[in-house]
Amino acid sequence: AQSVTQPDIHITVSEGASLELRCNYSYGATPYLFWYVQSPGQGLQLLLKYFSGDTLVQGIKGFEAEFKRSQSSFNLRKPSVHWSDAAEYFCAVIGSSNTGKLIFGQGTTLQVKP
Amino acid sequence: AAGVIQSPRHLIKEKRETATLKCYPIPRHDTVYWYQQGPGQDPQFLISFYEKMQSDKGSIPDRFSAQQFSDYHSELNMSSLELGDSALYFCASSLGGTGGSNTIYFGEGSWLTVV
Repeated sequence: AQSVTQPDIHITVSEGASLELRCNYSYGATPYLFWYVQSPGQGLQLLLKYFSGDTLVQGIKGFEAEFKRSQSSFNLRKPSVHWSDAAEYFCAVIGSSNTGKLIFGQGTTLQVKP
Repeated sequence: AAGVIQSPRHLIKEKRETATLKCYPIPRHDTVYWYQQGPGQDPQFLISFYEKMQSDKGSIPDRFSAQQFSDYHSELNMSSLELGDSALYFCASSLGGTGGSNTIYFGEGSWLTVV
């Protein structure tokens, strides 16, 4: 069965430091991968997505993610974190190519220190 | 740009009552999804509709039902509410069916509290 694992439940970084959030997936075919961000009490905002092609994808708010098939990973990165990036980050994979059902990881809470 | 609109944003109900959540997808989007996110949990897929027909069903209790109307808006009906139904309910929409390459956009969610 398809699954997504985010190994880090909670991460704290200093403002201005670089960030990498890990995501590993289990999927038999070529996955469709997403990163969403959720601020406290807010909805899910799409940061970026990977369907095919270039394995390094650029998203909004200065985020990027790299798809590595050999490692079954889709890690999210940002070179310099801003205090406003503090939120919950979810990696997700389309569970079935013909249903569009998203399977989410457990989420990573990002805290940004001044 | 217009986004997915959900109403109400907050709802408080007592046990055994009924609640209805509404979702208005992004204009021209024909596919709607419902997700449930419990406190501290990741979103769990409930059900989806494409062109007013149910396309997939997840971990949706039998007490819940949903439908998509001719204008593509959707309603999630929840009956015999239980304390465990307290959660954030997301609606999402996409264009062109439930094919894997269609980007899914989420609304801001409806908070349901059952007391």
